[in-house]
Amino acid sequence: KNQVEQSPQSLIILEGKNCTLQCNYTVSPFSNLRWYKQDTGRGPVSLTIMTFSENTKSNGRYTATLDADTKQSSLHITASQLSDSASYICVVRGQGGSYIPTFGRGTSLIVHP
Amino acid sequence: DGGITQSPKYLFRKEGQNVTLSCEQNLNHDAMYWYRQDPGQGLRLIYYSQIVNDFQKGDIAEGYSVSREKKESFPLTVTSAQKNPTAFYLCASSTLSSEAFFGQGTRLTVV
Repeated sequence: KNQVEQSPQSLIILEGKNCTLQCNYTVSPFSNLRWYKQDTGRGPVSLTIMTFSENTKSNGRYTATLDADTKQSSLHITASQLSDSASYICVVRGQGGSYIPTFGRGTSLIVHP
Repeated sequence: DGGITQSPKYLFRKEGQNVTLSCEQNLNHDAMYWYRQDPGQGLRLIYYSQIVNDFQKGDIAEGYSVSREKKESFPLTVTSAQKNPTAFYLCASSTLSSEAFFGQGTRLTVV
């Protein structure tokens, strides 16, 4: 069964600090991996997408990495801001018959002033 | 504007009632999905549809029903058979390979 595991479940950091969120997956065959940001009470919004051939991709202060061999991805947030407080969800999509995206449970990030 | 719209934003249901959540998209996406999210939990797939007049059960379909009579619309009915319907419901759409675009969600509460 396709699975996506995220860690940590929750994280509290001070404003201005960096943090890294982890995502491990078993989806196969692999198509792409996305990181979404979900603000409380809102729908998730895509931050980055990683395909098989990509190792690193940045979107402002967000940098995602992908190791397709070990089936691991990370999302690094630099110089955190209060507005980064949200849930970050890793979503993996397979190819062909497994195109339905598989969602991780998310990491809840709280940034304190 | 292109996007996906869910309504209503808040919905209250009495015990034993059926309620229908609306989801409309104008992105010309073939696939549409319904997810349920409980506090502190991840998204769980209720139903999905790949094409008009066809839909498949997800992981937690019991107590829910859907229809896909038009490409743009994928309404979800929460029936009285769903014993714990209080949750945040998210609708999404995508092509078969693109990112999923989400609506803003409907918060359903049983009163």
